[in-house]
Amino acid sequence: AQSVTQLDSHVSVSEGTPVLLRCNYSSSYSPSLFWYVQHPNKGLQLLLKYTSAATLVKGINGFEAEFKKSETSFHLTKPSAHMSDAAEYFCVVSWAGGFKTIFGAGTRLFVKA
Amino acid sequence: EAQVTQNPRYLITVTGKKLTVTCSQNMNHEYMSWYRQDPGLGLRQIYYSMNVEVTDKGDVPEGYKVSRKEKRNFPLILESPSPNQTSLYFCASSSPASGRAEDTQYFGPGTRLTVL
Repeated sequence: AQSVTQLDSHVSVSEGTPVLLRCNYSSSYSPSLFWYVQHPNKGLQLLLKYTSAATLVKGINGFEAEFKKSETSFHLTKPSAHMSDAAEYFCVVSWAGGFKTIFGAGTRLFVKA
Repeated sequence: EAQVTQNPRYLITVTGKKLTVTCSQNMNHEYMSWYRQDPGLGLRQIYYSMNVEVTDKGDVPEGYKVSRKEKRNFPLILESPSPNQTSLYFCASSSPASGRAEDTQYFGPGTRLTVL
């Protein structure tokens, strides 16, 4: 069975400090993995995606994620948080040619000044 | 501009009154999908469509219907809405490469539905 677990429902960091949002997945297939961001009262925006090429994936706004098959993880990181990063982040697994998708429950990131 | 549009953006209705939420994309995507977002649950897939006249159930299809008569449109129909369908709904589209789940889903702006 396929599943996605975001290990933290809330993460709070100070501006300028590193961000780590954790995601573990379970998949019987070779999955594609995505991170999306949702700012308050906004739609979803793609941050980055892994599709079996390089295991370290760089996305927009300085975010990156590393696919670790042995740990079934796809954690999202950013070296230095900015106030504008405050949002909800979703880890997503996709398979079956992209027709099946599961979202994690989301991690809300708070950034303190 | 490439986009997915949804209408209406906000809707308040009463139990049992049939409603339709429209979704349209202008990117010639084969794949379209509907999700509902509830606090603490992330987004859950309601229905998806792989192409015209081809639809399938997602994880939470009960109480919903869809149709895909044209490639660009994928309306979500609630025949008899109930309060537990109060939620934020997102439509998405993509063009998955054959056999590979590579392509990004593009999301609409969302429809906030309240059923009283």
